[in-house]
Amino acid sequence: KAGVTQTPRYLIKTRGQQVTLSCSPISGHRSVSWYQQTPGQGLQFLFEYFSETQRNKGNFPGRFSGRQFSNSRSEMNVSTLELGDSALYLCASSLSPREQYFGPGTRLTVT
Amino acid sequence: QKEVEQNSGPLSVPEGAIASLNCTYSDRGSQSFFWYRQYSGKSPELIMFIYSNGDKEDGRFTAQLNKASQYVSLLIRDSQPSDSATYLCAAPRRDSWGKLQFGAGTQVVVTP
Repeated sequence: KAGVTQTPRYLIKTRGQQVTLSCSPISGHRSVSWYQQTPGQGLQFLFEYFSETQRNKGNFPGRFSGRQFSNSRSEMNVSTLELGDSALYLCASSLSPREQYFGPGTRLTVT
Repeated sequence: QKEVEQNSGPLSVPEGAIASLNCTYSDRGSQSFFWYRQYSGKSPELIMFIYSNGDKEDGRFTAQLNKASQYVSLLIRDSQPSDSATYLCAAPRRDSWGKLQFGAGTQVVVTP
């Protein structure tokens, strides 16, 4: 079974731009969660989608948004990028509360 | 106080020895925990899920959960240099199992 895939793997953007990241969960998994990982803050929860509905949201500004499609693929968008948004963005998919499998991540650098 | 706390390390372990990692949590209602391994520059890899008090073994890994004392630990037996990584403890939030609260992670260095 294929794992979680994320595209693109690396991205360089300029302050003020916006970016869209994509995540394809493991086949059959309907829950997709997004996390931001930085050296200073560690892994922080962004949001979770289940069957196209946002089930939970972390403490991030409104510039961070996401959505999930009917095939469970998910996208997250960050508008008006700031230098502090440079991070590894990870998505995780799960079928049950006993698992969360992470994708390889998207490394975003904001200059 | 952070909800999930780990000693950041590094924890230096001789090859072949047992590495012991601890994680404490503040939410007494937390029912289950994950342990992940993360190599530098890579994404977290699921090692273990535990929800019952006591021990759970999987290969060289043993997770221990003590809900009364609010800690969960991970033992790595016969440590190998390939076990050198950061180990993350995470607890699902009670209001949403898809939302994990992570500790800062413990860096383990296995020395030959």
